[in-house]
Amino acid sequence: QQQVKQSPQSLIVQKGGISIINCAYENTAFDYFPWYQQFPGKGPALLIAIRPDVSEKKEGRFTISFNKSAKQFSLHIMDSQPGDSATYFCAAWMLPMPNQGGKLIFGQGTELSVKP
Amino acid sequence: SQTIHQWPATLVQPVGSPLSLECTVEGTSNPNLYWYRQAAGRGLQLLFYSVGIGQISSEVPQNLSASRPQDRQFILSSKKLLLSDSGFYLCAWSLGFTDTQYFGPGTRLTVL
Repeated sequence: QQQVKQSPQSLIVQKGGISIINCAYENTAFDYFPWYQQFPGKGPALLIAIRPDVSEKKEGRFTISFNKSAKQFSLHIMDSQPGDSATYFCAAWMLPMPNQGGKLIFGQGTELSVKP
Repeated sequence: SQTIHQWPATLVQPVGSPLSLECTVEGTSNPNLYWYRQAAGRGLQLLFYSVGIGQISSEVPQNLSASRPQDRQFILSSKKLLLSDSGFYLCAWSLGFTDTQYFGPGTRLTVL
């Protein structure tokens, strides 16, 4: 129940195309959903995030779509560029349990390659 | 602005040797601090988190330990490394548990 399932594992998109990465969760205790971008040999960097009271959030070419009833959320990268080639992680924030802090649960990652 | 540092950047250690990785945060006070391990360039596994000096919570029992001797310093240690300890170790911080976590540049550990 603490899992976040991410798909696909890898994705190849032509320059200018749309990249779509999907995540699904079971636990309704999750209430914050960030996406991280990671380049090889670097730490993940926050890309965009959404809370479940919003169905969509857009920042530049990056959009999160959130479907609370289906317990799914996705990242759309419009006009994908070779510089977007990286590994993308979705995550879900689990509310604190008694005597514990909350924690981020990460998906397994999607390796995106944008071909010129 | 806040910055997070990790060192060393890379480390090659023999099996059975000790380990000490350091993480420091600048530009903020009383952050929550986290250690993650990433194997094979994917999947982040939370190892430890800390809400204050001397307060450490372990997520996964293993060959590693963590300590927080100062407010903005987080240390990951091992007395005897195993081959399975190889990986990319990431430190992260947040101002509160509901806040975004910001990651450091990571330490690549290879145990031979």
